[in-house]
Amino acid sequence: QVQLVESGGGLVNPGGSLRLSCAASGFTFNDYYMSWIRQAPGKGLEWVSYITSSGRSIYYADSVKGRFTISRDNAKNSLYLQMNSLRAEDTAVYYCARVDVETNGMDVWGQGTTVTVSS
Amino acid sequence: DIQMTQSPSSVSASVGDRVTITCRASQDISGWLAWYQQKPGKAPKLLIYAASSLQSGVPSRFRGSGSGTDFTLTISSLQPEDVATYYCQQADSFPHSFGQGTKLEIK
Repeated sequence: QVQLVESGGGLVNPGGSLRLSCAASGFTFNDYYMSWIRQAPGKGLEWVSYITSSGRSIYYADSVKGRFTISRDNAKNSLYLQMNSLRAEDTAVYYCARVDVETNGMDVWGQGTTVTVSS
Repeated sequence: DIQMTQSPSSVSASVGDRVTITCRASQDISGWLAWYQQKPGKAPKLLIYAASSLQSGVPSRFRGSGSGTDFTLTISSLQPEDVATYYCQQADSFPHSFGQGTKLEIK
């Protein structure tokens, strides 16, 4: 079945780094754009980043620009988020989502991975 | 950046009621709007895309409408399983911002 599974979350010190992964299965990964979205504890959804199917076009929220890097490996059906210079305000559940290329609707979501930035 | 504003922030209604949630964009986004439902402890789920298209598998009591800057999500007959927080999101220009959410409860 169509599935996204995130991994790589955990507890990290402020200023530290973490790399999130999102493994896709059940669909042709390189036909789809992908996004990362996060949700701080008790808060709403925040769009984080977006990558086209080839990886040629990439976009970021201002809050993470220059610190986070989105990438994908179509041969491994995987999406990544490299997070550097982490801050307490980056603490959140991070979701990866499949993006329909025609509508930009995010029609498949992972279960989320939790990132906690604290000393 | 485009700001998305939802109203109300929370709503309480009875089973069978018609419920309406509105979403306003700070500039024209044409029809590039999606609605998501998030139940506690779960990932969001796409309900409506392109402002008014029902995602496959979503009950027909959910309806989206609007274009430009003003959009509406309507639940025609509220069911207990509809208790959730609902978010709109614009996909017209980056960053693809979300509204702040509307928490729906049963009276």
